[in-house]
Amino acid sequence: GAVVSQHPSRVICKSGTSVKIECRSLDFQATTMFWYRQFPKQSLMLMATSNEGSKATYEQGVEKDKFLINHASLTLSTLTVTSAHPEDSSFYICSARGLAEGGGSYNEQFFGPGTRLTVL
Amino acid sequence: GDSVTQMEGPVTLSEEAFLTINCTYTATGYPSLFWYVQYPGEGLQLLLKATKADDKGSNKGFEATYRKETTSFHLEKGSVQVSDSAVYFCAFNSGGGADGLTFGKGTHLIIQP
Repeated sequence: GAVVSQHPSRVICKSGTSVKIECRSLDFQATTMFWYRQFPKQSLMLMATSNEGSKATYEQGVEKDKFLINHASLTLSTLTVTSAHPEDSSFYICSARGLAEGGGSYNEQFFGPGTRLTVL
Repeated sequence: GDSVTQMEGPVTLSEEAFLTINCTYTATGYPSLFWYVQYPGEGLQLLLKATKADDKGSNKGFEATYRKETTSFHLEKGSVQVSDSAVYFCAFNSGGGADGLTFGKGTHLIIQP
């Protein structure tokens, strides 16, 4: 099956610093990656959609200068939270869909395990 | 706006009980509907899906039917097991598979032996 990893799984940082979260597709080429944010006891909220080699498309209300997304290769997307503040503390989840090994494409999204960000 | 409403948990059942987790949606157009499951410490996994009205998705004994007239996609299982304990998310996208998903808040299911 298709596997998506995230790194780190947990990060604690000081207010004002920047934090980078990596999302990797381990056994398939991810032509599209999605970034979600989940608050406690809330649903996952789509933040942005990125296609390999092009700029990310952000959902309404998500600051693109605050949450920098790079999808430079078919197996890696990064989310950088710039000048993080305590209100950015949350659970960030990525998902990916794309090309299966041996041909064909995946119609479903495969999710990473998530990254817990705590800003002090 | 687009949204998903699902039962709030936790839902606690005994093993072999019948399970229903309600889900209704508000969406424009003709969305595809999904149920995802998240086991402790793991990422979300697709459980089942339906892409058009009256389709029934099924997997691992779970099933859900796309009801356009009631905008619902209720999850059912006839006999639950302890291993079914997890958080279940109802979701949809607007079609084409390329769009991001709109999720419900999730329902925590606890099955007791």
